[in-house]
Amino acid sequence: AQTVTQSQPEMSVQEAETVTLSCTYDTSESDYYLFWYKQPPSRQMILVIRQEAYKQQNATENRFSVNFQKAAKSFSLKISDSQLGDAAMYFCAYREGAQKLVFGQGTRLTINP
Amino acid sequence: DTGVSQDPRHKITKRGQNVTFRCDPISEHNRLYWYRQTLGQGPEFLTYFQNEAQLEKSRLLSDRFSAERPKGSFSTLEIQRTEQGDSAMYLCASSYSSGRGETQYFGPGTRLLVL
Repeated sequence: AQTVTQSQPEMSVQEAETVTLSCTYDTSESDYYLFWYKQPPSRQMILVIRQEAYKQQNATENRFSVNFQKAAKSFSLKISDSQLGDAAMYFCAYREGAQKLVFGQGTRLTINP
Repeated sequence: DTGVSQDPRHKITKRGQNVTFRCDPISEHNRLYWYRQTLGQGPEFLTYFQNEAQLEKSRLLSDRFSAERPKGSFSTLEIQRTEQGDSAMYLCASSYSSGRGETQYFGPGTRLLVL
């Protein structure tokens, strides 16, 4: 079974600085999708960014970018110019085909003003 | 806003009671997913529907759990004879199958507390 591991239960960063959240996954497939979701306190989960495994180019969405290392099965999220509104739980997730999402345990990100 | 909605948002029940949750997906989304999230953990898959057909169920979904999606629109998740271990956030997500690259959009969840 596919597994997703987030080894950083908590991270903190100063406002306006850059932070990187780590994620590794285990799969024997070559075609799959990876996602980062953000879950603010008491609010619903929203998609931050996604990566298709067959694309070598790292995905970017404004201040959010990923470092996708397919051979190493690593998928880290970089948040540039951190803002107070970025404070949330961040979940890395894997999906193969039209299947369920498999989530990591999450990383709680705190932004220090 | 026409996002995924869930009702109720909170539910407190006594052990042994039955509860039912409802999820209304984004209009025209043909896939609907249920996940369960316990405190401090990532969501875990329970089941999913394509239109009205339930295509996959997790081993987490014991025989006390049943889900339906009549007419391929809203879905209900029922838990019979609730146990304290059922206390969790129940999340619904929907997506539109487009061959590749579909994204699941989540609702706000129903938080269940079993006393």
